[in-house]
Order: sequence, then C-alpha cells, then structure tokens
Amino acid sequence: QSVLTQPPSVSAAPGQKVTISCSGSSSNIGNNYVSWYQQLPGTAPKLLIYDNNKRPSGIPDRFSGSKSGTSATLGITGLQTGDEADYYCGTWDSSLNWVFGGGTKLTVL
Amino acid sequence: QVTLRESGPALVKPTQTLTLTCTFSGFSLSTSGMCVSWIRQPPGKALEWLARIDWDDDKYYSTSLKTRLTISKDTSKNQVVLTMTNMDPVDTATYYCARTRRGDGSGSYSFDYWGQGTLVTVSS
Repeated sequence: QSVLTQPPSVSAAPGQKVTISCSGSSSNIGNNYVSWYQQLPGTAPKLLIYDNNKRPSGIPDRFSGSKSGTSATLGITGLQTGDEADYYCGTWDSSLNWVFGGGTKLTVL
Repeated sequence: QVTLRESGPALVKPTQTLTLTCTFSGFSLSTSGMCVSWIRQPPGKALEWLARIDWDDDKYYSTSLKTRLTISKDTSKNQVVLTMTNMDPVDTATYYCARTRRGDGSGSYSFDYWGQGTLVTVSS
C-alpha cells in the first residue's frame, strides 16, 4: 500500500489530454514539493516534473504539473503513442522517507 | 554529462548480504545540495525508495528497511555503496541509483538522473 494514491490506470485517444492525480497528506504533499517520473516499458524512470510544476530541460511543455493542498496532478496534452508508460509521483515525507505513488499506467488508445 | 551505473551480483542466496555499488560521473558528491539515492522496483510493481546519502554525509533510510540497510560514499572514487543484510526472495527487484538534487525550497528534492538499474534475484 503506497503512501501516495494514484489511479492504477488512465487512458485517452491520441491528441487528447489526460490528467493523473496523486493524493497524499499534510505530512508529505501538503508541506513538500512533488515530482513526477515517466517509466517507459523496460527502462529506468525519467524525471518529468520537479518542484510541483517545473520541467527539466528537454521535457516538452505538453507535460505540466500542479499542486493544491495535499494533492498533485500531472497533465499531458496532445497525447502520443510514445507517451504510453507508467507514471509515478513522489515527495519527501515528514517521517524523513521519500514516498512514491503506486504508479499509473497510461494507455493511448 | 551526468551518468550513473549500478553494479553488483545478479543472484544472491537467502540470508546473504547484498552489496551494490553506484559509480557516477558528471557531478561531485562533495558539492552542496548533491545527494544520491537508491530505489528499487520488484518485477511488475511500483518504485520503492531505500536510502539517500547527502554531500555532507547525512544519511536517510526507509523506515521499514532501516535495520537492514547501510549507505556510504567514497567521494574520491565517485561511488556510493548500499548494503542490505538478510536478503529474502521478496527483495528480488531491479535496484536503481539516482542523483538526488536538492532544490531551493525546503523539502525540494528530485531524482534528476537515474542509472539503468541492476536486477537482483534472491533465490537458493
């Protein structure tokens, strides 16, 4: 059971928009920054969003992040088949542990 | 160019101690704000954070695994070592090391570069 709660799966058609939620508590998301990771099949995770809404160099602006209270959201617009992957949110917790969500599998129909 | 590479045994027996080494380049662990973390992923399952070591040698461990984990660094060799004692088949996973960058805000951390991972199987 992950500390952060994500939907197990989401799906949308190519070109559409999808959002992935990440729910936590005041001991983690509520008082710390959230980051998001994309894991393509058979590969290591890759940083997509850090500090709630910042994109590392090279990440297209189709990917966005937001945070409100104890929840965070990853948004992906203009969906492409290459976006099919597992997505994880994560943040620091007051227990001095890093916590991840359980991951969300994105299917581009 | 930042790179990280994990190395260690592919197979360990139950009750043995696992030692993994993360060898990195492109940054220094003596630079303020730099950290390295270990993260694992059992086959078909979610990511699980294990431990982190900071530039100032502060160390943090997963609460559920802290009695079994030790993390250390050799700044001169650009290496971070993780040991996990009393290995069990449930510890079978791909183990990743990741550069952990501390941002400007309190509680701002992210894993900005990852190694390719090393699969460790625990079996007799």
